[in-house]
Order: sequence, then structure tokens, then C-alpha cells
Amino acid sequence: TQLLEQSPQFLSIQEGENLTVYCNSSSVFSSLQWYRQEPGEGPVLLVTVVTGGEVKKLKRLTFQFGDARKDSSLHITAAQPGDTGLYLCAGYYGGSQGNLIFGKGTKLSVKP
Amino acid sequence: EAQVTQNPRYLITVTGKKLTVTCSQNMNHEYMSWYRQDPGLGLRQIYYSMNVEVTDKGDVPEGYKVSRKEKRNFPLILESPSPNQTSLYFCASSLAGTAREPQHFGDGTRLSIL
Repeated sequence: TQLLEQSPQFLSIQEGENLTVYCNSSSVFSSLQWYRQEPGEGPVLLVTVVTGGEVKKLKRLTFQFGDARKDSSLHITAAQPGDTGLYLCAGYYGGSQGNLIFGKGTKLSVKP
Repeated sequence: EAQVTQNPRYLITVTGKKLTVTCSQNMNHEYMSWYRQDPGLGLRQIYYSMNVEVTDKGDVPEGYKVSRKEKRNFPLILESPSPNQTSLYFCASSLAGTAREPQHFGDGTRLSIL
């Protein structure tokens, strides 16, 4: 059973379009992290959301943590080719330390 | 420069031949972890270490060993590699293995077991 379900798995859009990626779970997470991974590299942290209902913005990226802390979303406004990559959500299940669980990721391709 | 260094970056080997993938971090982080990344399965945690001499199993520990004798190093050992361990492996570290700390990843080791 996948504790963190990401959707969609693949997304191919044109430059300038908006998009939303979802990370859902039936379990409560004390916080969720979003990473971006480019080919040939390790994931790089974008943001950590901690409080239920929290919204964080990183330039054109908006991250939201669900009120019940079971889900999160990433919205990109006016996507650019440089946004292309694999977006991963991750969290420590059950609030435990150490055992970090990742979703399977959303592979985003932004065409010029 | 703060970084996590993995070696080798690429390795092709044969079934049963013991191998070690090294991981070193220069950030004085307490927490280190190993993951494997496979198509359709995503990143899965193999082992993690909260501090020196403290290691715990992640979600897919079978067939792997680790040790944490020093703070900066966390090698991944495959005593008898098998083809199903062909994968892309990542080492990561963070200040502490808690929810608010970012994981810093190495650039990965692509392992092929024939």
C-alpha cells in the first residue's frame, strides 16, 4: 500500500499554462516536504509544510497543506520549461523520526 | 561546499560479488539514509541512521547492510548482490531525522547487477 499517492503521474503542458499536482494519504502526517529532481541528480527540497491549512509560496509555486494534514498540493502558475522535472512529496509516517516515505512522483514536462 | 558524495557513480557487476557504495557528508549531520529509486516504484528507504552506531531498517532493507562508525560516513554494503538490486541509489543526510529538516541528497549511484 502506497502511503503517499501522487497524481497525476505524468503531466505534459505548454509554457505559460497553470498546473496542480496532488499528494494524498489516508494517514495523518506531521508535515510534508516537496522535492524536485532533475535527471542525473538527487532530489532537492523545495518546501516543508507543517501546519494544517498552511500555504507557502515560492515564486510561481504555491504549496498547500490540507486542514487534516492528510494531503498537500503544489500549484505552478505560468509554467516555464525550467520547471520540467520530477516532483516528489515526502513525509515521516506517524510522526516518527527517521523513516521518510516518498510518493512515486509527478513527472512534469513543460514545452516551449 | 556542503555536499553529500557517493562513490562510485556507476557500477556494473555480477551476481554474488560483494560490493560497497560509499557515502560521505561534510555538513556534520547526525542523520543519514539510503534510498533506491526504481521506475514505477519511486524512492524507497533502505536503511537510515539517526547518529553514530545507530542504524534502523527502512522499507526495503533485505539484501543490504549498513554501518555508521563515523558521523560523516554511511556505506551501503551488498554482501551478495542479485539482479533485483539493479537500481539507482541515493544517499542523503540531514541535521536530524525530523520532519522539519531538509534532506540533502547525493547525485546517485547507478548499479547494474548482471
